[in-house]
Amino acid sequence: AQSVTQLGSHVSVSEGALVLLRCNYSSSVPPYLFWYVQYPNQGLQLLLKYTTGATLVKGINGFEAEFKKSETSFHLTKPSAHMSDAAEYFCAVSDPGGGADGLTFGKGTHLIIQP
Amino acid sequence: SQTIHQWPATLVQPVGSPLSLECTVEGTSNPNLYWYRQAAGRGLQLLFYSVGIGQISSEVPQNLSASRPQDRQFILSSKKLLLSDSGFYLCAWSGRGSHGTQYFGPGTRLTVL
Repeated sequence: AQSVTQLGSHVSVSEGALVLLRCNYSSSVPPYLFWYVQYPNQGLQLLLKYTTGATLVKGINGFEAEFKKSETSFHLTKPSAHMSDAAEYFCAVSDPGGGADGLTFGKGTHLIIQP
Repeated sequence: SQTIHQWPATLVQPVGSPLSLECTVEGTSNPNLYWYRQAAGRGLQLLFYSVGIGQISSEVPQNLSASRPQDRQFILSSKKLLLSDSGFYLCAWSGRGSHGTQYFGPGTRLTVL
């Protein structure tokens, strides 16, 4: 069975500072990995995903994430935080050989941007 | 391009009343479809998923049910709502060969009073 752990239910950074949201997974096989963002009262929007190939993945809104197999991690980063980045962020994994029940989500990290 | 719709956007219902939430997808065929619930301050809970018309898999036993009467239509229902059914309901779809990537609708905010 797969599982996803997001360290820190809330992360607070100053505007202009580095954003780092942590995600670790447990899987018997190298999974596909995803980050989603959710703004208040909206659905989830795909930020980026890793399937195969280059382990550093660039997404929308200046975010990127690096797949590190040895650390079973897929941390999300952004060099300079904007006020508009304040939202809930979810890490998710899927099993390449798995069924249609799809993604396993972490519990989410609420990103707070301090002015 | 593909789009996913959910309605209504918000709903306030009394305890014991029925429920029907609808989700439709445009621009794709034979998608996998999903219903999730987010309770206040909690993560995503997968309720149901469907790989085809009339094929429903339930992840959590409860007083909710789902149906898929058409290829791109997914309906979430209840005969009698409970207070604990309050939450934000999200529909999502994924395509074949998409590595499990799911695309979400805008959600329905349900308040049961």
